Amino acid sequence: AQTVTQSQPEMSVQEAETVTLSCTYDTSESDYYLFWYKQPPSRQMILVIRQEAYKQQNATENRFSVNFQKAAKSFSLKISDSQLGDAAMYFCAYRRENNQGGKLIFGQGTELSVKP
Amino acid sequence: DGGITQSPKYLFRKEGQNVTLSCEQNLNHDAMYWYRQDPGQGLRLIYYSQIVNDFQKGDIAEGYSVSREKKESFPLTVTSAQKNPTAFYLCASSMRTGGPMNTEAFFGQGTRLTVV
Repeated sequence: AQTVTQSQPEMSVQEAETVTLSCTYDTSESDYYLFWYKQPPSRQMILVIRQEAYKQQNATENRFSVNFQKAAKSFSLKISDSQLGDAAMYFCAYRRENNQGGKLIFGQGTELSVKP
Repeated sequence: DGGITQSPKYLFRKEGQNVTLSCEQNLNHDAMYWYRQDPGQGLRLIYYSQIVNDFQKGDIAEGYSVSREKKESFPLTVTSAQKNPTAFYLCASSMRTGGPMNTEAFFGQGTRLTVV
């Protein structure tokens, strides 16, 4: 069974600084997708970034980038130039890809606080 | 506008009662999911469905039931067999297949269930 682990329950960063959130996963599949979702206090889940396992290039979305290490099964999220609005719960997620679709599995979450 | 709608936003249940949480989407998505969110435990998968009239148990299905009679709807019933139902419940939907740009899951705004 696939599992996703986020070992940092809480993280803190100074405004304008950079922070990295960690995520590891376990799977025997070769084709899959990885995601980072953000959940602000409103509790609405927002997709931050996605990574296809078959791509070696790390995904980037503006101030957000990932470090995808497929052999190590590691998928960390880097937030550059942190802003107050980045404060939220962040979830790492995994989805297998096949013709029958696949369930979306989440980690335990990391609560990020941003200090002004 | 396309989206996914959960109702009600808040729900109170007396012990021993069954309650049903509604989830409707107009995104033409095949796959739908139910998650339970508790502090410190992330999102845990209760049930998921890839197509109409078919669904699978997730990691914590005991005490819950679902149906998928229509593509747009995936209601969750919390039965009296669920011993600790107080939690935040999130419904999500996604395309079942179709490549990387179709893998994103869209979430409802959640239902907060409290046992009184």
